[in-house]
Amino acid sequence: DAGVIQSPRHEVTEMGQEVTLRCKPISGHDYLFWYRQTMMRGLELLIYFNNNVPIDDSGMPEDRFSAKMPNASFSTLKIQPSEPRDSAVYFCASKATSGRGTDTQYFGPGTRLTVL
Amino acid sequence: TQLLEQSPQFLSIQEGENLTVYCNSSSVFSSLQWYRQEPGEGPVLLVTVVTGGEVKKLKRLTFQFGDARKDSSLHITAAQPGDTGLYLCAGGTLGSGNTGKLIFGQGTTLQVKP
Repeated sequence: DAGVIQSPRHEVTEMGQEVTLRCKPISGHDYLFWYRQTMMRGLELLIYFNNNVPIDDSGMPEDRFSAKMPNASFSTLKIQPSEPRDSAVYFCASKATSGRGTDTQYFGPGTRLTVL
Repeated sequence: TQLLEQSPQFLSIQEGENLTVYCNSSSVFSSLQWYRQEPGEGPVLLVTVVTGGEVKKLKRLTFQFGDARKDSSLHITAAQPGDTGLYLCAGGTLGSGNTGKLIFGQGTTLQVKP
Protein backbone atom coordinates (compact mmCIF):
# COMPACT_ATOMS: atom_id res chain seq x y z
CA ASP A 1 0.00 0.00 0.00
CA ALA A 2 1.43 3.39 -0.98
CA GLY A 3 2.20 5.81 1.80
CA VAL A 4 1.74 9.56 1.78
CA ILE A 5 3.05 10.97 -1.49
CA GLN A 6 4.53 14.45 -1.77
CA SER A 7 5.78 16.35 -4.77
CA PRO A 8 8.13 17.78 -5.64
CA ARG A 9 10.81 16.31 -3.35
CA HIS A 10 13.03 19.31 -3.88
CA GLU A 11 12.16 22.83 -5.00
CA VAL A 12 14.53 25.72 -5.57
CA THR A 13 13.00 29.05 -6.45
CA GLU A 14 13.75 32.72 -6.32
CA MET A 15 12.31 35.20 -3.88
CA GLY A 16 8.94 36.50 -5.01
CA GLN A 17 7.97 33.42 -7.00
CA GLU A 18 4.89 31.32 -6.29
CA VAL A 19 5.51 27.84 -4.90
CA THR A 20 2.98 25.00 -4.81
CA LEU A 21 3.57 21.86 -2.80
CA ARG A 22 1.40 18.80 -3.35
CA CYS A 23 0.27 15.92 -1.19
CA LYS A 24 -1.66 12.71 -1.74
CA PRO A 25 -2.73 11.19 1.60
CA ILE A 26 -3.17 7.50 2.28
CA SER A 27 -6.46 6.28 0.85
CA GLY A 28 -9.19 6.17 3.47
CA HIS A 29 -7.55 8.60 5.85
CA ASP A 30 -9.84 11.44 6.93
CA TYR A 31 -7.28 13.82 8.44
CA LEU A 32 -4.49 15.63 6.63
CA PHE A 33 -1.79 17.74 8.26
CA TRP A 34 0.79 20.14 6.83
CA TYR A 35 3.99 20.69 8.86
CA ARG A 36 7.14 22.75 8.39
CA GLN A 37 10.50 21.66 9.82
CA THR A 38 13.53 23.88 10.37
CA MET A 39 16.59 23.58 12.55
CA MET A 40 15.60 26.65 14.54
CA ARG A 41 11.92 25.93 15.13
CA GLY A 42 11.66 22.16 14.79
CA LEU A 43 8.47 20.60 13.44
CA GLU A 44 5.56 23.04 13.38
CA LEU A 45 1.95 22.30 12.48
CA LEU A 46 0.74 24.75 9.85
CA ILE A 47 -2.81 23.59 9.13
CA TYR A 48 -4.93 20.47 9.23
CA PHE A 49 -8.05 19.23 7.47
CA ASN A 50 -10.79 16.80 8.44
CA ASN A 51 -12.87 15.35 5.62
CA ASN A 52 -11.40 18.00 3.28
CA VAL A 53 -12.47 20.89 5.54
CA PRO A 54 -9.78 23.12 7.14
CA ILE A 55 -10.12 22.81 10.92
CA ASP A 56 -7.22 24.79 12.35
CA ASP A 57 -4.97 27.12 10.37
CA SER A 58 -3.56 28.96 13.37
CA GLY A 59 -0.08 27.74 12.50
CA MET A 60 -0.02 29.33 9.07
CA PRO A 61 2.66 32.00 9.41
CA GLU A 62 1.04 34.73 7.32
CA ASP A 63 -1.27 35.49 4.45
CA ARG A 64 1.34 34.46 1.93
CA PHE A 65 0.56 30.86 2.86
CA SER A 66 -2.62 29.11 1.77
CA ALA A 67 -3.74 25.50 1.69
CA LYS A 68 -6.56 23.68 -0.06
CA MET A 69 -7.98 20.19 -0.11
CA PRO A 70 -10.36 19.93 -3.07
CA ASN A 71 -10.97 16.22 -2.54
CA ALA A 72 -10.02 13.35 -0.24
CA SER A 73 -6.98 12.38 -2.28
CA PHE A 74 -5.24 15.69 -2.89
CA SER A 75 -4.04 18.77 -1.03
CA THR A 76 -1.85 21.74 -1.90
CA LEU A 77 0.15 24.23 0.14
CA LYS A 78 0.88 27.44 -1.73
CA ILE A 79 3.30 30.22 -0.87
CA GLN A 80 2.89 33.46 -2.79
CA PRO A 81 5.18 35.37 -2.86
CA SER A 82 7.95 33.20 -1.45
CA GLU A 83 10.71 34.60 0.76
CA PRO A 84 14.11 33.20 1.81
CA ARG A 85 12.83 32.63 5.36
CA ASP A 86 10.31 30.14 3.96
CA SER A 87 13.17 27.76 3.21
CA ALA A 88 12.44 24.56 5.12
CA VAL A 89 11.28 20.99 4.73
CA TYR A 90 7.51 20.77 4.40
CA PHE A 91 5.80 17.55 5.45
CA CYS A 92 2.34 16.28 4.80
CA ALA A 93 0.85 13.65 7.12
CA SER A 94 -2.44 11.80 7.19
CA LYS A 95 -4.32 9.63 9.63
CA ALA A 96 -7.50 7.67 10.00
CA THR A 97 -9.67 8.36 13.04
CA SER A 98 -10.18 5.39 15.32
CA GLY A 99 -12.03 7.28 18.01
CA ARG A 100 -9.32 6.79 20.64
CA GLY A 101 -7.52 10.09 20.09
CA THR A 102 -4.18 8.30 19.84
CA ASP A 103 -4.09 7.60 16.15
CA THR A 104 -0.87 7.27 14.22
CA GLN A 105 0.06 10.05 11.83
CA TYR A 106 1.80 8.82 8.68
CA PHE A 107 4.25 11.29 7.23
CA GLY A 108 5.30 11.74 3.64
CA PRO A 109 8.97 12.07 2.66
CA GLY A 110 8.78 15.86 2.65
CA THR A 111 9.52 18.64 0.17
CA ARG A 112 12.78 20.50 0.69
CA LEU A 113 12.15 24.10 -0.32
CA THR A 114 14.96 26.55 -0.92
CA VAL A 115 14.10 30.15 -1.67
CA LEU A 116 17.06 32.15 -2.98
CA THR B 1 0.86 27.83 24.65
CA GLN B 2 1.76 24.20 25.19
CA LEU B 3 5.45 23.43 24.74
CA LEU B 4 7.51 20.27 24.89
CA GLU B 5 11.19 20.57 25.71
CA GLN B 6 13.51 17.76 24.78
CA SER B 7 16.94 17.15 26.22
CA PRO B 8 19.60 16.70 25.25
CA GLN B 9 19.39 18.27 21.80
CA PHE B 10 22.43 16.35 20.56
CA LEU B 11 23.95 13.11 21.75
CA SER B 12 26.97 11.29 20.35
CA ILE B 13 27.83 7.96 21.95
CA GLN B 14 29.71 4.76 21.26
CA GLU B 15 28.02 1.53 20.27
CA GLY B 16 26.96 -0.44 23.32
CA GLU B 17 26.33 2.53 25.60
CA ASN B 18 22.99 3.30 27.21
CA LEU B 19 21.20 6.63 26.89
CA THR B 20 18.08 8.45 27.99
CA VAL B 21 16.22 11.23 26.21
CA TYR B 22 13.81 13.42 28.14
CA CYS B 23 10.67 15.25 27.07
CA ASN B 24 9.25 17.75 29.56
CA SER B 25 6.38 20.18 29.75
CA SER B 26 4.42 22.23 32.25
CA SER B 27 1.23 21.16 30.46
CA VAL B 28 -0.73 17.96 30.74
CA PHE B 29 -1.10 15.90 27.58
CA SER B 30 -3.74 13.33 26.71
CA SER B 31 -1.10 11.11 25.12
CA LEU B 32 2.57 11.12 24.28
CA GLN B 33 4.09 9.73 21.13
CA TRP B 34 7.70 9.14 20.15
CA TYR B 35 8.80 9.33 16.55
CA ARG B 36 12.11 8.56 14.84
CA GLN B 37 13.22 10.41 11.74
CA GLU B 38 16.05 9.49 9.40
CA PRO B 39 17.69 11.96 7.00
CA GLY B 40 15.56 12.69 3.95
CA GLU B 41 12.50 10.98 5.37
CA GLY B 42 9.46 11.85 7.43
CA PRO B 43 9.04 10.89 11.10
CA VAL B 44 7.88 7.36 11.83
CA LEU B 45 5.89 6.50 14.95
CA LEU B 46 7.67 4.29 17.50
CA VAL B 47 5.17 4.21 20.36
CA THR B 48 2.16 5.87 21.96
CA VAL B 49 1.65 6.08 25.73
CA VAL B 50 -1.63 7.30 27.17
CA THR B 51 -1.78 6.45 30.89
CA GLY B 52 0.20 8.26 33.59
CA GLY B 53 3.05 6.03 34.73
CA GLU B 54 2.75 3.78 31.69
CA VAL B 55 5.88 1.96 30.55
CA LYS B 56 6.25 0.38 27.12
CA LYS B 57 9.16 -1.62 25.75
CA LEU B 58 10.13 -2.02 22.13
CA LYS B 59 13.14 -4.34 21.97
CA ARG B 60 16.01 -2.25 23.40
CA LEU B 61 13.86 0.89 23.73
CA THR B 62 11.89 1.67 26.89
CA PHE B 63 9.34 4.48 26.95
CA GLN B 64 7.78 5.95 30.07
CA PHE B 65 4.96 8.46 30.55
CA GLY B 66 5.16 10.52 33.72
CA ASP B 67 2.55 10.01 36.43
CA ALA B 68 1.16 13.50 35.85
CA ARG B 69 1.25 13.08 32.05
CA LYS B 70 3.53 16.10 31.69
CA ASP B 71 6.75 14.35 30.81
CA SER B 72 8.17 11.29 29.15
CA SER B 73 11.48 9.52 28.67
CA LEU B 74 13.02 7.24 26.09
CA HIS B 75 15.79 4.90 27.24
CA ILE B 76 17.90 2.93 24.79
CA THR B 77 19.96 0.02 26.05
CA ALA B 78 23.14 -1.03 24.26
CA ALA B 79 22.78 1.49 21.46
CA GLN B 80 23.66 0.40 17.93
CA PRO B 81 24.63 2.45 14.87
CA GLY B 82 21.20 1.67 13.41
CA ASP B 83 19.66 3.72 16.24
CA THR B 84 21.18 6.88 14.77
CA GLY B 85 18.55 9.46 13.89
CA LEU B 86 16.36 12.28 15.14
CA TYR B 87 14.01 11.35 17.98
CA LEU B 88 10.90 13.48 18.42
CA CYS B 89 8.36 13.45 21.20
CA ALA B 90 4.85 14.68 20.46
CA GLY B 91 2.04 15.44 22.87
CA GLY B 92 -1.62 14.97 22.13
CA THR B 93 -3.46 18.09 23.25
CA LEU B 94 -6.31 17.92 25.74
CA GLY B 95 -9.62 18.93 24.28
CA SER B 96 -8.54 17.99 20.82
CA GLY B 97 -10.84 15.01 20.98
CA ASN B 98 -10.16 12.73 18.10
CA THR B 99 -8.30 15.27 16.01
CA GLY B 100 -4.91 13.91 16.95
CA LYS B 101 -3.38 17.38 16.83
CA LEU B 102 0.15 17.02 18.11
CA ILE B 103 2.66 19.37 19.70
CA PHE B 104 6.21 18.32 18.80
CA GLY B 105 9.37 18.76 20.81
CA GLN B 106 12.48 20.18 19.15
CA GLY B 107 14.00 16.73 18.78
CA THR B 108 17.14 14.92 19.93
CA THR B 109 19.75 14.07 17.33
CA LEU B 110 21.42 10.80 18.26
CA GLN B 111 24.63 9.56 16.69
CA VAL B 112 25.87 6.10 17.61
CA LYS B 113 29.44 5.45 16.51
CA PRO B 114 30.64 1.91 15.74
